[in-house]
Amino acid sequence: AQSVTQLGSHVSVSEGALVLLRCNYSSSVPPYLFWYVQYPNQGLQLLLKYTSAATLVKGINGFEAEFKKSETSFHLTKPSAHMSDAAEYFCAVTPGGSQGNLIFGKGTKLSVKP
Amino acid sequence: GAVVSQHPSWVICKSGTSVKIECRSLDFQATTMFWYRQFPKQSLMLMATSNEGSKATYEQGVEKDKFLINHASLTLSTLTVTSAHPEDSSFYICSARDRSRGSTEAFFGQGTRLTVV
Repeated sequence: AQSVTQLGSHVSVSEGALVLLRCNYSSSVPPYLFWYVQYPNQGLQLLLKYTSAATLVKGINGFEAEFKKSETSFHLTKPSAHMSDAAEYFCAVTPGGSQGNLIFGKGTKLSVKP
Repeated sequence: GAVVSQHPSWVICKSGTSVKIECRSLDFQATTMFWYRQFPKQSLMLMATSNEGSKATYEQGVEKDKFLINHASLTLSTLTVTSAHPEDSSFYICSARDRSRGSTEAFFGQGTRLTVV
């Protein structure tokens, strides 16, 4: 079975500071991993995904994540936060290569202070 | 990228009435669509998996007679909340897989905010 743990339900950073959102996963098979962003009252937008190719994945809006099998982690980072990055971020996992549904973490709300 | 359109974006209904939510893949064919429910400040919980031309597969604890799912074509799935009650108030989100891109691509609708009064 797959599961996702996001450490920290709320992260607050200053504009221009590093953003680090943590995600650890549990999977009995090689996983595919995703980060999504959700703005208030909207659906989810894919930021980036890992599908067993390069372990360092670059996504949209300057975000990137690194798959570390030894640590079962897939943390999301961005060097410099913008005010527009304030949103809810979800990490998700699905069994690699399957048609299965996504299993989501509980989400991390990112606040960006001016 | 592929676009999934969900309609309506918000709806208010009276207790006891039914509400239909549509999920359309606008520029791709979706053999599989997923319906999620999201409570305030919580994550998305899968309700059911909808496969075109066959019955939906419901997750444990989800009442199939209350949440009717129909996936009659490769571009449309509908979720009908029957005899809605205030506890059904939630944010409902659909997602669809673009079969031409394989299983790694899932695109989400913009969600439907349902309020039952």
